[in-house]
Formats: sequence, structure tokens, C-alpha cells
Amino acid sequence: GEDVEQSLFLSVREGDSSVINCTYTDSSSTYLYWYKQEPGAGLQLLTYIFSNMDMKQDQRLTVLLNKKDKHLSLRIADTQTGDSAIYFCADSSGGYNKLIFGAGTRLAVHP
Amino acid sequence: DAMVIQNPRYQVTQFGKPVTLSCSQTLNHNVMYWYQQKSSQAPKLLFHYYDKDFNNEADTPDNFQSRRPNTSFCFLDIRSPGLGDAAMYLCATSRDRTGGVSGYTFGSGTRLTVV
Repeated sequence: GEDVEQSLFLSVREGDSSVINCTYTDSSSTYLYWYKQEPGAGLQLLTYIFSNMDMKQDQRLTVLLNKKDKHLSLRIADTQTGDSAIYFCADSSGGYNKLIFGAGTRLAVHP
Repeated sequence: DAMVIQNPRYQVTQFGKPVTLSCSQTLNHNVMYWYQQKSSQAPKLLFHYYDKDFNNEADTPDNFQSRRPNTSFCFLDIRSPGLGDAAMYLCATSRDRTGGVSGYTFGSGTRLTVV
């Protein structure tokens, strides 16, 4: 079945860039998403990329998609302490287009 | 603001005692989903409703049921909660099954504790 994998933990210094990586298996995905989850809260949509795009930039966020390698990344420029959270990559598979999530990358931002 | 609201935020139930979690939406979305999220794990889809059509995931235990009496509300019923059912339960909605540029809109979740 479909699978989405992410590294579990990333630690960066405040002001540096963060890069969170994700790989997926379903090549029929139309959209791929990045969600953010703060402690005790639900998931908040950060950004998405359409499958025919290679890159999307949205203020401090840059999403890169390599369809050949089925690799998605999220770059956060000038990372702030408020960016500390868990980031989930999600793949919209074919059929019902249900979202398949990775296990999430916990981003810790330190001074 | 249009949103997805889950009640309660925290629920404690006894082992084996039926419990119902509630989700409501003001977005008038056609599709409503229930996800289970255990600690440090990916949210796992339990089932979804497309309008009134119920769609169960193949590996969702029979212990979990759902009801959608109208467009706005969806309920998750756990008939006999076990310790392994302790988790965060997330409700989500989407306008249609494609998700599209809006993806899914999630509620804040209900954290279920089984004692």
C-alpha cells in the first residue's frame, strides 16, 4: 500500500534554515501537503504542491518536489522558536484521495 | 470563522464503557473523516463519510463505529474501549474527495484516555 516516510527529529538554531524531508511511494498523487501540529492541537495546513510542479514558494516556506525520486522537502527560512512543532508530510493517493501521513518530523528550534 | 469543532477536548472513559466523540463543521463540506493518532505516530484514517455514504478502512476494528446524522455533524462511537484505544482522535473535512488546494481542515482533536 501507500507509504510516506519522514525523519523523526530535526534540531536547528534560531535564524537558520530548516529542511524537512519526506519520501512517498504513490506516484498517482495529485497534491502533496505539509501540515504543522503544535502540542495538544490538531493539524494545520501549511502549504501544498501540485504534482506537476517542481517548486513552490510561500513567504518563508519553500516546497521542492522531485517526482522521479518521489521526494518532497519543506524548507523554512529564518526559523523561529514559534516554528517548533511536528511537521507532517501527506500524500493524496488515488481512488478516494484520502490523505496518507508520514509519522511526522519534530522540529526543535534553539537559541 | 468557518471551522471544525471537536468535543470534548479531553475524554476519560473506563475500560469497556462505550464512549462517543463529537465533531461539527460550519464549512458545509461534503466529506468528513475520522483519524486516530497515537503518540509519535502518523494519523491513521479510520473511516470517512462522503455525504451520507460511509466508507470504512479495511483495518478499522469493528469496535469503532460512526454516524453522520446531517451535513454538519459526525460522531465516533467506540463500543468497548480498550487500553490500546487511548489516542488523539482527529476529525477532518474536505469539500470533496480530492482535497484540492485546501487539503483537509482538521479540528483540534479529542484526546481519549482509557482507565
